[in-house]
Amino acid sequence: DQQVKQNSPSLSVQEGRISILNCDYTNSMFDYFLWYKKYPAEGPTFLISISSIKDKNEDGRFTVFLNKSAKHLSLHIVPSQPGDSAVYFCAASAGTGANNLFFGTGTRLTVIP
Amino acid sequence: GAVVSQHPSRVICKSGTSVKIECRSLDFQATTMFWYRQFPKQSLMLMATSNEGSKATYEQGVEKDKFLINHASLTLSTLTVTSAHPEDSSFYICSAQMGGTIAEAFFGQGTRLTVV
Repeated sequence: DQQVKQNSPSLSVQEGRISILNCDYTNSMFDYFLWYKKYPAEGPTFLISISSIKDKNEDGRFTVFLNKSAKHLSLHIVPSQPGDSAVYFCAASAGTGANNLFFGTGTRLTVIP
Repeated sequence: GAVVSQHPSRVICKSGTSVKIECRSLDFQATTMFWYRQFPKQSLMLMATSNEGSKATYEQGVEKDKFLINHASLTLSTLTVTSAHPEDSSFYICSAQMGGTIAEAFFGQGTRLTVV
């Protein structure tokens, strides 16, 4: 049972435009959400997170939005750069110290120069 | 960021043999390490939580006698797939937790296991 879903396996965006990656979850107990970025032959690296007490968290070009009522979060990258091309994973957990992260299947972002 | 090294990155083994995968935190001590598995077109799924000096905690449905985890030091955890079968072919990845929150867990590069 997939508790975290990324329904778009791939996304292509022109350099300089906005990239929007989406993620949906089903478990209402999730209260901490993370985005990871993964380059080929490397492990996922933490990008940005958001707690359920917030609806937005921003870090430079990256902003994560959380809509708890819709059980939906999104990652916005603006402006997109070719170096942002990677696979992005959404993950969720119940609590920041939880030992169990539930991951989405990932979205491959390609930023076209 | 902190570095976690996983070895080997790829391994092919014969059915019935055992394979050991190492996960090392190179520049920090990790009291907790996690092992995940990812089948094609599926998400990363937690297999077990490994705590230094104690027995690993396995997730439901993961056979502890088949997937042996050893966390003998603060910088090394190993996963041994025993009596491997073709259905064990998967992508295995570890993460090591540096601090108290999930965001402070760093991933290795992963190991692609193919059992023939």
